[in-house]
Amino acid sequence: VHLEQSGAEVKQPGASVKVSCKASNYNFPTFGISWVRQAPGHGLEWMGWINTYNGYTNYAEKFQDRVTMTTDTSTSTVYMELRSLRSDDAAQYFCARDVQQLGLFYLDYWGQGTLLTVSS
Amino acid sequence: QPALTQPASVSGSPGQSITISCTGTSSDVGGYNFVSWYQQLPGKAPKLIIYEVSNRPSGVPDRLSGSKSGNTASLTISGLQAEDEGDYYCVSFTDNSLYAFGTGTKVAVL
Repeated sequence: VHLEQSGAEVKQPGASVKVSCKASNYNFPTFGISWVRQAPGHGLEWMGWINTYNGYTNYAEKFQDRVTMTTDTSTSTVYMELRSLRSDDAAQYFCARDVQQLGLFYLDYWGQGTLLTVSS
Repeated sequence: QPALTQPASVSGSPGQSITISCTGTSSDVGGYNFVSWYQQLPGKAPKLIIYEVSNRPSGVPDRLSGSKSGNTASLTISGLQAEDEGDYYCVSFTDNSLYAFGTGTKVAVL
């Protein structure tokens, strides 16, 4: 199982960012993808989950108004878009394979992370 | 969703055992057997080390074990080794079909 994330991004406050997570070596529609972020020197924060089979999403309340997760089964890729960026959105963003579609709840494989810098 | 409470740091000497607690509520830790634990080494992505309270993925040494009592889950590392140094996070499924993450614990091997 491998999750390959897109490269580091630098954005201005108020802009949007779209991070990709390309999955390989497993049956993509069987497992969902969660996104987790980590600000410098801080802990992990769950942002939300997407069902890669039907596109259903479930977002953490904190991000509901600003995040959109989408899936492209033709390329086994999940995207996470975060809008109206603020300085405190600067963080490492991780995608992780989520077993929710199997009726279980944990994140068994993780991407390498994508660093977002927010600066004017 | 509120974070689960973990001690900021735990330390021990090589060979000793340490336990990291993870305290939630009946809406998360206490209500479901869906507690997982993750190890994050410096500069790396988190790695799953315990799922469903006490199950170890393939390749995780049996020195690591998990348990739960009421609203508190625990991770025990026996025979502490230098390679165990890092940050540890608990995660629980919640009533709102969300994940709650723990505040994280830094493990130091003295």
